[in-house]
Amino acid sequence: AQTVTQSQPEMSVQEAETVTLSCTYDTSESDYYLFWYKQPPSRQMILVIRQEAYKQQNATENRFSVNFQKAAKSFSLKISDSQLGDAAMYFCAYRSDNGAGSYQLTFGKGTKLSVIP
Amino acid sequence: EAGVAQSPRYKIIEKRQSVAFWCNPISGHATLYWYQQILGQGPKLLIQFQNNGVVDDSQLPKDRFSAERLKGVDSTLKIQPAKLEDSAVYLCASSYVGLFTEQYFGPGTRLTVT
Repeated sequence: AQTVTQSQPEMSVQEAETVTLSCTYDTSESDYYLFWYKQPPSRQMILVIRQEAYKQQNATENRFSVNFQKAAKSFSLKISDSQLGDAAMYFCAYRSDNGAGSYQLTFGKGTKLSVIP
Repeated sequence: EAGVAQSPRYKIIEKRQSVAFWCNPISGHATLYWYQQILGQGPKLLIQFQNNGVVDDSQLPKDRFSAERLKGVDSTLKIQPAKLEDSAVYLCASSYVGLFTEQYFGPGTRLTVT
C-alpha cells in the first residue's frame, strides 16, 4: 500500500516571501500521479497542482511549483510571493489505480501554513 | 458548473444514535467518493462508487457504516450506531471516469458525537 508523509505539521511565511512544503511517499509503482491540495479554514478542498510521474519536468501553476525527485520519492511544493489567501492546510496526495478507470487518493496528514502580514 | 453539494454542514448527536449525510455530485460525474477526515489528519477514503456500483469499500467499518448511491447520482452515508471516535468531517468528492480526471470536493459535514 502507498503511504504519504508530510513531516512539517505547521509552517509560517512572511507575506511576499517563498516557502517550501515537504512530502515524501512510498510506492512500488513506476507510473503514478501526485497532487497538492489546499484546504482553507472551513472551506472545501481544492486542487493546487498535479505532477505525472513519467514527466521529468516539474509542474508549475502561477506562483506554485513542485520539486519532484522520483528516485528519492520526494514531492515538495514551493509557494512564491506568498499571499494572505495562501493560509490553509496543504495536503500531499498520491493517486493509485484501483481498476476499471477508477482511481483513489491517499493523503498525507497535512501541513498548516500561516502567512504573516 | 455547480459544485459538489453536501448536507447538513454540521451535526451533533449522542453516541449510539444514528446519522445520515447526503451528497449530490457534479452533474455527469460517474465516480463518487466518501472520505473521513479526523481532526489533524488527512482525508481517508471510506467508499468509492462508480455509477451505482461499489468500487472500493475496504476501509468502511461495515458493522456501523453504510452507503448507497441510488440511480448513480446522489449518495447517502449512514452511521448506526455512532461512536465517539466517529467525530470527524465527512467529505464527498466526485470525478469523471478516466486517466486525467480530477476529484472535486464538497464542503463536508462536520459530525460531533458526544
